[in-house]
Amino acid sequence: QSALTQPPSASGSPGQSVTISCTGTSSDVGGYNYVSWYQQYPGKAPKLMIYEVNKRPSGVPDRFSGSKSGHTASLTVSGLQAEDEADYYCGSYGGSNNYVFGTGTKVTVL
Amino acid sequence: EVQLVESGGGLVQPGESLRLSCAASKFTFNIYWMDWVRQAPGQGLVWVSRINSDGSSINYADSVKGRFTISRDNAKNTLYLQMDSLRVDDTAVYSCVRGGLPNAYDIWGQGTMVTVSS
Repeated sequence: QSALTQPPSASGSPGQSVTISCTGTSSDVGGYNYVSWYQQYPGKAPKLMIYEVNKRPSGVPDRFSGSKSGHTASLTVSGLQAEDEADYYCGSYGGSNNYVFGTGTKVTVL
Repeated sequence: EVQLVESGGGLVQPGESLRLSCAASKFTFNIYWMDWVRQAPGQGLVWVSRINSDGSSINYADSVKGRFTISRDNAKNTLYLQMDSLRVDDTAVYSCVRGGLPNAYDIWGQGTMVTVSS
């Protein structure tokens, strides 16, 4: 049950794209198509942005997209906006009804 | 509005116990699996425990196994977390979350703060 590995920070200018990686193992990210991504503003509850690797819940802008290759999942935010500045966490099913989160990435809009 | 509201947090000494509650409203509570997630101050999200819709399947993170007990009362639309033998490193905001999508949390409570300190 080790945390998934994310870069501590990422940044981009308005209108640019930023991609965040989430690296796990064959027991979690690599073993299941159950990767999700959460956005969290300071002092607020996280919000689901992506589930099942690349699906967006209703209301999430299509600027947010997800993908996966092997043991690494990625979240891409296109057309970066000031409101996208937040912490982002990946999460994955870890088998045997366990779940594991990533270490978190702080996205800064320059 | 679909809502989860936690309560029961507070300041306790190492070795003591606390029972957290999570009241669900405006959705059919008894068809969803529910989890507890915690976040220490300034730190990341950590999965704590999971219970399925009827309470027949339960899982824990290794860090809390044997000390924490998750349960639910579907008649009261309430999720619980009994925390025994609390340690300083259990200090965190504890949030209940709804598993409304396949292995993804679509509804989050605001959390309740648990502080373990002597």
